[in-house]
Amino acid sequence: GAGVSQSPSNKVTEKGKDVELRCDPISGHTALYWYRQSLGQGLEFLIYFQGNSAPDKSGLPSDRFSAERTGGSVSTLTIQRTQQEDSAVYLCASSFPEPGLAGVRPYNEQFFGPGTRLTVL
Amino acid sequence: KNEVEQSPQNLTAQEGEFITINCSYSVGISALHWLQQHPGGGIVSLFMLSSGKKKHGRLIATINIQEKHSSLHITASHPRDSAVYICAVPPAAGNKLTFGGGTRVLVKP
Repeated sequence: GAGVSQSPSNKVTEKGKDVELRCDPISGHTALYWYRQSLGQGLEFLIYFQGNSAPDKSGLPSDRFSAERTGGSVSTLTIQRTQQEDSAVYLCASSFPEPGLAGVRPYNEQFFGPGTRLTVL
Repeated sequence: KNEVEQSPQNLTAQEGEFITINCSYSVGISALHWLQQHPGGGIVSLFMLSSGKKKHGRLIATINIQEKHSSLHITASHPRDSAVYICAVPPAAGNKLTFGGGTRVLVKP
C-alpha cells in the first residue's frame, strides 16, 4: 500500500515569502506528526495531530509556523514570512492513534514520509 | 545531558566489517525505534523493539530495558549501508518521539 507522501520534495523560496508544505498520511492513520531537521542538527518535534485537532503544538518554533489538518487526512504546514533559519528538511509521520484513545499498545509505530527540503535564500 | 545519546557520532568502516551503533536513553520508554536516513533526507524505519532482539537481513537490534541501552549491529557491511542511523524513543505513554543525534556511517568499498 501507499506510504506517507509529502510535497513538494524540494522548495526554494526567498526570505519573507510564505510557504506551504503538504503531507498525505497512510490511509487509516489518525495520528500525524511534523518534525524538522535543520542542517547539522538532529530531528525535532513540531506538532502532533489526532484527527483534525492538534493536542500538542509545543514544538512550533514561532507564531510564523502553523499547521492544519482537514478530513482527518491531509495536513499542511505553513511558514509565513520565511527566514533563512527556517531552511531545513521537514518530515511528516503518521501512525495509528496514541494510546489512551483507541490503541491498546503503549506505542504505535510511526511511518515517515520522504520529507520536504526547504531552502530560504 | 540529552535524553537520548548515540555513539559514535561518525563511523567509517571497510566493506564486510561488523558495525555497532549504541543508543542510551534516560527517559522511561515503552519501545525504541531505529531509523535510517539516506543522503536525500528520507527516513526509513528499521526496527521498533521493546525487549530482546530483532533481526532483519544483515541488521540486528538489541535492547536492554534495565540498562536503558540499545544497539544496532550491521553484519557484513556494504557501501549501500552508508547512511545516518537514528534512535528515537517515545515516552512511557504516548507517541511524541525524542531523537538521538544520529550516527553517520560510511562504508568504503
